[in-house]
Amino acid sequence: GDSVTQMEGPVTLSEEAFLTINCTYTATGYPSLFWYVQYPGEGLQLLLKATKADDKGSNKGFEATYRKETTSFHLEKGSVQVSDSAVYFCALSAAGANSKLTFGKGITLSVRP
Amino acid sequence: EPEVTQTPSHQVTQMGQEVILRCVPISNHLYFYWYRQILGQKVEFLVSFYNNEISEKSEIFDDQFSVERPDGSNFTLKIRSTKLEDSAMYFCASRDTNSPLHFGNGTRLTVT
Repeated sequence: GDSVTQMEGPVTLSEEAFLTINCTYTATGYPSLFWYVQYPGEGLQLLLKATKADDKGSNKGFEATYRKETTSFHLEKGSVQVSDSAVYFCALSAAGANSKLTFGKGITLSVRP
Repeated sequence: EPEVTQTPSHQVTQMGQEVILRCVPISNHLYFYWYRQILGQKVEFLVSFYNNEISEKSEIFDDQFSVERPDGSNFTLKIRSTKLEDSAMYFCASRDTNSPLHFGNGTRLTVT
């Protein structure tokens, strides 16, 4: 079945450091790929998405590129801020109007001043 | 911006008791979901609901679980006889045909 694998955490960075969070997936067909973020005490929010190979999703300085050849969707940000401290989830959705999301385990990012 | 709301934010119940988790999806959305996250583990799909019926459910969603849309606004998850291993954060989500999922803030269920 479909699955998403994220790198082990937690990750602690200093402000303005470069961030990479790895995500790889296994799926049949051509899934859509997502990054969701969960700030402390809040629900899951969509951060960015990509629906086909070589698409780049971007939002709030974060980027991720849909790499079909490596089945990856790594999240990057050039300069993290303290306010980026949150839990980040990679997810996929198989094709279809009613398809569910399959999530990775999530990784906690802490950014120190 | 419209949002999915879940109540209560934290529910404590004794093993064997019934519990109902409540959700109000975004008003024009047609697809509704429940997910759960046991502490330290993945966010897991439980069930999806469309056109007043379950469209898909996972292995986790056994006979102890049920969902209902009792009126035009609420979407509930019922656990008939809670077990210790049902302790988790439960997320409700909704979407319309072409939108990504919008999640609520979750209900933390603690079974003692």
